[in-house]
Amino acid sequence: AQRVTQPEKLLSVFKGAPVELKCNYSYSGSPELFWYVQYSRQRLQLLLRHISRESIKGFTADLNKGETSFHLKKPFAQEEDSAMYYCAPFNFGNEKLTFGTGTRLTIIP
Amino acid sequence: DAGITQSPRHKVTETGTPVTLRCHQTENHRYMYWYRQDPGHGLRLIHYSYGVKDTDKGEVSDGYSVSRSKTEDFLLTLESATSSQTSVYFCATTAGGRGGGELFFGEGSRLTVL
Repeated sequence: AQRVTQPEKLLSVFKGAPVELKCNYSYSGSPELFWYVQYSRQRLQLLLRHISRESIKGFTADLNKGETSFHLKKPFAQEEDSAMYYCAPFNFGNEKLTFGTGTRLTIIP
Repeated sequence: DAGITQSPRHKVTETGTPVTLRCHQTENHRYMYWYRQDPGHGLRLIHYSYGVKDTDKGEVSDGYSVSRSKTEDFLLTLESATSSQTSVYFCATTAGGRGGGELFFGEGSRLTVL
């Protein structure tokens, strides 16, 4: 069965401190991994996908196939990073995106 | 935002009444999805469509049905609403293929079942 775990429901970090949002997955085959973000009063949007290897808004995520993890990181948190973050593996076989339970990140000024 | 609109944006209804939520897209995307968002559960897939008249169940499909008679419209119907279906419903689309996994979301429809 496909499973995505985001162990932290809530995470508070001081402005300027490093941020790490954890994601572990259990998946058959080789999914592509995504992070989605939902800012207050906005729709969900793509933050980054591992295959593009881009850094978006200072965030990066490294896929560790051995640990089946895809943690999201940022070296210096900013207040505008406060949002809900979802890890999501995509199965190309059935074109389904499965979301984790999400982590609400709060940046303390 | 891939031209995705959901209607209604807010609805309050009573247990046992039918409810239909509409998702409309202007991007001619092949794939469309309905998710529900609940605290502690994240987003869970209800149903999805991979083309006109082609639909399949997601992980929480009980009590829901869908229809897609045109590429641009994907309807979610609760035949007889229950309080457990109080939630925020999101529609999403993707072009699929190499763009698969990059979903574009609507603004959500907040449904309250009393």
